Amino acid sequence: EVQLVESGGGLVQPGGSLRLSCAASGFTFSSYWMTWVRQAPGKGLEWVANIKEDGSEKYYVDSVKGRFTISRDNAKNSLYLQMNSLRAEDTAVYYCARGSSTWYAWGQGSLVTVSS
Amino acid sequence: QSALAQPASVSGSPGQSITISCTGTSSDVGGYKYVSWYQQHPGKAPKLMIYEVSNRPSGVSNRFSGSKSGNTASLTISGLQAEDEADYYCSSYTSSSTRVFGGGTKLTVL
Repeated sequence: EVQLVESGGGLVQPGGSLRLSCAASGFTFSSYWMTWVRQAPGKGLEWVANIKEDGSEKYYVDSVKGRFTISRDNAKNSLYLQMNSLRAEDTAVYYCARGSSTWYAWGQGSLVTVSS
Repeated sequence: QSALAQPASVSGSPGQSITISCTGTSSDVGGYKYVSWYQQHPGKAPKLMIYEVSNRPSGVSNRFSGSKSGNTASLTISGLQAEDEADYYCSSYTSSSTRVFGGGTKLTVL
């Protein structure tokens, strides 16, 4: 069974940093693009970033470029999102999802709250 | 990277059919086959319903179908059931190699 489990969310002050992790199991992690998607409270889905199977290509939504970094460790079957210079508007549930443009599997989400 | 345009809400009675539109540009919806649709119930993760415009994943009811014409993709749900009440989102690949979602549509089953 494919499983994606996010962790690392929490409350952080504006300007602070947080690192989200996504532990994958039930499939060959190194064979798939992986994606982060977020959803602000009461709002719609927003694509954040994705990363190629070997980590050689990464793409970001404009609003997080230069602040967020997506990475992966295929040996640990894990996906990461390093979030720096956090802003109130980054408050959201962050989902990891398997795939490049079609997301068959999703995690349960990790809530990140940016507030003083 | 503007969000794709979806109606904020649609409604229908049990047994009826509804269609949700998703309008983009030639740089996203109109230019690529990578349009997909997701269903999201409150407090839950999204679920893939349609991929590559019109393909249904295994396990998704054949009451769900997708199509595309020009820069507009559509999701049609036939034989509406109470459990179809949810939020629906389209997504597309873009010419910048990024992805973009629609704003979401709340489906109410009357």
